[in-house]
Amino acid sequence: EDQVTQSPEALRLQEGESSSLNCSYTVSGLRGLFWYRQDPGKGPEFLFTLYSAGEEKEKERLKATLTKKESFLHITAPKPEDSATYLCAVSGGANSKLTFGKGITLSVRP
Amino acid sequence: SQTIHQWPATLVQPVGSPLSLECTVEGTSNPNLYWYRQAAGRGLQLLFYSVGIGQISSEVPQNLSASRPQDRQFILSSKKLLLSDSGFYLCAWSGGQLSGNTIYFGEGSWLTVV
Repeated sequence: EDQVTQSPEALRLQEGESSSLNCSYTVSGLRGLFWYRQDPGKGPEFLFTLYSAGEEKEKERLKATLTKKESFLHITAPKPEDSATYLCAVSGGANSKLTFGKGITLSVRP
Repeated sequence: SQTIHQWPATLVQPVGSPLSLECTVEGTSNPNLYWYRQAAGRGLQLLFYSVGIGQISSEVPQNLSASRPQDRQFILSSKKLLLSDSGFYLCAWSGGQLSGNTIYFGEGSWLTVV
């Protein structure tokens, strides 16, 4: 059974204070690792898909990296508008279903 | 571009009443469609998914059902709601494995059963 564990559960940063969010996973035959951003009361917004170890993708202040066991979402010089819950998910095996972690709630103080 | 619409956004229903949440996708054909429920502290739970018209797979036993009457329409229903059905329901779509399995979500529907 696919499993995804995200840590920490919550993270509070000062504006400009860079940090990383962790996503550890176990999956049989990784087809993709996905990062989403979710604002309160809204549906998750797609950020990145990573397919193989060593792959990296960037978008503004965010960079996602992938190893065979975990993924990191690095946030460089965050701003208050980066405050949200960040979800990690994996897809593995022969189907297209995703298994999600519980998310990391990020708060960035001005 | 593809868009997904989900409604109603919010509803309050009494215990024992029926439920119907609707979702439509535009700008793509033959999508995979999903219904998720999100409860506080428990993450996203997949309820149903569909790979085609009339093809529904249920992931967990529950008081809910799903139907796909048209290619881009997905409906979540219940004949009699329970208090435990309260939560945030999300419809989602993907293009399948040929599109990298990325799932895109609607804005969600808040259901409160009283």
